[in-house]
Amino acid sequence: SQQGEEDPQALSIQEGENATMNCSYKTSINNLQWYRQNSGRGLVHLILIRSNEREKHSGRLRVTLDTSKKSSSLLITASRAADTASYFCATDAGNDYKLSFGAGTTVTVRA
Amino acid sequence: GAVVSQHPSRVICKSGTSVKIECRSLDFQATTMFWYRQFPKQSLMLMATSNEGSKATYEQGVEKDKFLINHASLTLSTLTVTSAHPEDSSFYICSARDAAGASYEQYFGPGTRLTVT
Repeated sequence: SQQGEEDPQALSIQEGENATMNCSYKTSINNLQWYRQNSGRGLVHLILIRSNEREKHSGRLRVTLDTSKKSSSLLITASRAADTASYFCATDAGNDYKLSFGAGTTVTVRA
Repeated sequence: GAVVSQHPSRVICKSGTSVKIECRSLDFQATTMFWYRQFPKQSLMLMATSNEGSKATYEQGVEKDKFLINHASLTLSTLTVTSAHPEDSSFYICSARDAAGASYEQYFGPGTRLTVT
């Protein structure tokens, strides 16, 4: 079942600007992951943050996790046209390795 | 990095026929694979968990007789859409968990676009 909600649903920014998207979830989690999906393609794993972590960086990506608010944010800095894609958060909440995906944010980076 | 392939990448079939989609882990062993479907502009919905050597576990609302899953080896799971109908048209994506890796490691295939006419 889907437990994550993401906002905004869609985001359009100029190249070089930062893009921020948020994910909220309902139950306690083991970890939260962010994925990117280009149109009609599979998912690319971006970053994982464990429930005992608050912030994580990977290149131009910065992820935060607030377990008290059951929310996470993904920041893409200095965006490029190639960052145009849909971004999904996914939570791992049980001991069965199942992932529950958020609704996704579609990001368009204008050149 | 770990690679998961899916075959075919696209398939068009007539209503009433069955279609088999393969999901392979190319360079690791996967005791568990997951099957998702994704409608246009929507998120991924988990359909079932495929466990090597045992029956698949289906999510609520997914017809197990409609979506047959077989996980006969540590590197291959298949999803067969039986008696396909136009409403089964969707993007089907599999993922595989590396049996030797950390528990969170899951790798996604490129997806299969099914169109039922």
